[in-house]
Amino acid sequence: ETGVTQTPRHLVMGMTNKKSLKCEQHLGHNAMYWYKQSAKKPLELMFVYSLEERVENNSVPSRFSPECPNSSHLFLHLHTLQPEDSALYLCASSPLAGTRNTQYFGPGTRLTVL
Amino acid sequence: ILNVEQSPQSLHVQEGDSTNFTCSFPSSNFYALHWYRWETAKSPEALFVMTLNGDEKKKGRISATLNTKEGYSYLYIKGSQPEDSATYLCAFISDNYGQNFVFGPGTRLSVLP
Repeated sequence: ETGVTQTPRHLVMGMTNKKSLKCEQHLGHNAMYWYKQSAKKPLELMFVYSLEERVENNSVPSRFSPECPNSSHLFLHLHTLQPEDSALYLCASSPLAGTRNTQYFGPGTRLTVL
Repeated sequence: ILNVEQSPQSLHVQEGDSTNFTCSFPSSNFYALHWYRWETAKSPEALFVMTLNGDEKKKGRISATLNTKEGYSYLYIKGSQPEDSATYLCAFISDNYGQNFVFGPGTRLSVLP
């Protein structure tokens, strides 16, 4: 399998549930990203990891908890979410974390919080 | 808060028409600009990374120009085809904001056969 994969593709959860989104890249990249796209809003960067270290956290609420156990895998742990957190969550990777590097995106997880 | 705008919001063109749209961004502290194409139900796909004022990049029928002094980039599509139908996103990076990509809202292009 090549490129950036994300699972699950769709997720429905209640406000009290705990769930995790998974991202895997098969490109040998060293940087990985989580983005959020809410309805009628631009894509928003949430987290950046470079060589498994978090280098950027754009004031994301603590109910979103990222984890990067190695350079190929990235998780987003979700707990006590709100209905307004319903959105498309995209993962991306790039060779290095520099902002002049092309990012390669996964297909996204469509999250619905009831 | 950095503001990145794209215009038009959407447009419909006939197959074979050429078209262009605009990404506007702050003209100070420019570091890089990315263009992406995002087809429905697919992943965003990188088109160009632009870094220097006056840059012109080309990929097949698609090209882009960059003016960092006035804060805009144009994306051109020559001879549009139905498969060009997608949302085109630009992302601005300021050297004041490190890793922060600020995306525009996108231009949704529909090419009618």
